[in-house]
Amino acid sequence: QVQLVESGGGVVQPGRSLRLSCAASGFTFSDYGMHWVRQAPGTGLEWVAVIWFDGSYKYYADSVKGRFTISRDNSKNTLFLQMNSLRAEDTAVFYCARDRGYGGNRDHFDYWGQGTLVTVSS
Amino acid sequence: QSVLTQPPSVSGAPGQRVTISCTGSSSNIGAGYDVHWYQQLPGTAPKLLIYANSNRPSGVPDRISGSKSGTSASLAITGLQPEDEADYYCQSYDDSLSGFVFGTGTKVTVL
Repeated sequence: QVQLVESGGGVVQPGRSLRLSCAASGFTFSDYGMHWVRQAPGTGLEWVAVIWFDGSYKYYADSVKGRFTISRDNSKNTLFLQMNSLRAEDTAVFYCARDRGYGGNRDHFDYWGQGTLVTVSS
Repeated sequence: QSVLTQPPSVSGAPGQRVTISCTGSSSNIGAGYDVHWYQQLPGTAPKLLIYANSNRPSGVPDRISGSKSGTSASLAITGLQPEDEADYYCQSYDDSLSGFVFGTGTKVTVL
């Protein structure tokens, strides 16, 4: 069965960096686009970034563009999110989610991980 | 702020029917992009409920349905059950933002 397990969350000071990982299993990872979606405490879902199945294209929400970088290692079935220059408003649970296809703009998210909490605070 | 607007809350008694609207614009739903729906039970990750406007993944009961018309979409739950109490989000793609977008979310309460 499809499994997505996020890790790397924690408490970090404003301005510092953090790298999240998402370990995938139960499917051919290199066939699917992957996303990061976040949810600030008590609020709704916000899409963060997508990477195509082969890593050839990456797109970001305006709120994180220039600060966050999505990447993947298909040989290790792992998705990453490098977060730099973190701000208090980045505090959220970060979910990785599988795209139902290659990562195109008509796709949806068919499987989700359990999330990892990132808290940005001094 | 989200470009897809949902009512903050809806409620109904067990067995009743509730609907959740998702209102977009010409740059997202009205541009022909599909609408998808997710259910988030308290303290858990979102789960796909409806994809491509009206399709149910395996395991989702047929008392849950979706539709799309113009710049809006809706989710209907008939025969409301206590386990339906959750937050529900619509999702699509927006040309102006060049990104995926979620609705503001709707909390369903079973009275």
